[in-house]
Amino acid sequence: QAGLTQPPSVSKDLRQTATLTCTGNSNNVGNQGAAWLQQHQGLPPKLLSYTNNNRPSGISERFSASRSGNTVSLTITGLQPEDEADYYCSAWDSSLGAWVFGGGTKLTVL
Amino acid sequence: QVHLVESGGGVVQPGTSLRLSCAASGFTFRNYFMHWVRQAPGKGLEWLAIITNDGNTEHYAESVKGRFTISRDNPKNTLYLQMDSLGPEDTAVYHCAREAGGFDIWGQGAMVTVSS
Repeated sequence: QAGLTQPPSVSKDLRQTATLTCTGNSNNVGNQGAAWLQQHQGLPPKLLSYTNNNRPSGISERFSASRSGNTVSLTITGLQPEDEADYYCSAWDSSLGAWVFGGGTKLTVL
Repeated sequence: QVHLVESGGGVVQPGTSLRLSCAASGFTFRNYFMHWVRQAPGKGLEWLAIITNDGNTEHYAESVKGRFTISRDNPKNTLYLQMDSLGPEDTAVYHCAREAGGFDIWGQGAMVTVSS
């Protein structure tokens, strides 16, 4: 089952800005956008944003999402040590009739 | 407090079956689509199945179609995953998740190990 494409790892300095990308196709990301999840080691994922850059209650404004065509991006400003985690994108694929995830990006804050 | 709590995990032999449960509390369970998602050790997230709020429609990932069945009991606020013909590739932490735009509420997960 085809998934979404994410770079395996990204490293950025403390207090800098990181932009994570997620690429799909017209049946998933290009059609309905994507959601972003953050996962710290040993914990369940946490929803950071969903369609049209909606942020759940309690999620910092430092996290923002955008979409251009079949690619969505998650921008994290003012990186903090606690931002070091795995980040996943997810989207409904109308062709597959299934949700798909990206393989995840490990963000390292230096 | 909104909570999802999985149960029913364990160590099973290849070819056997297992049923996971997910108890929901703190929200109106019958109003939400629900999902199962798993994560193999050291690997990423894998979506498995969705069930509509009324339980009338289900969709499955190809990897589990025909082997796994998602169901729900709205009066009991409980989601289920019946897993048959388990193989070593099914070893993972299994999470239930609520859908509200994205997967907004997750359980802590139930570990399933398939080994002889």
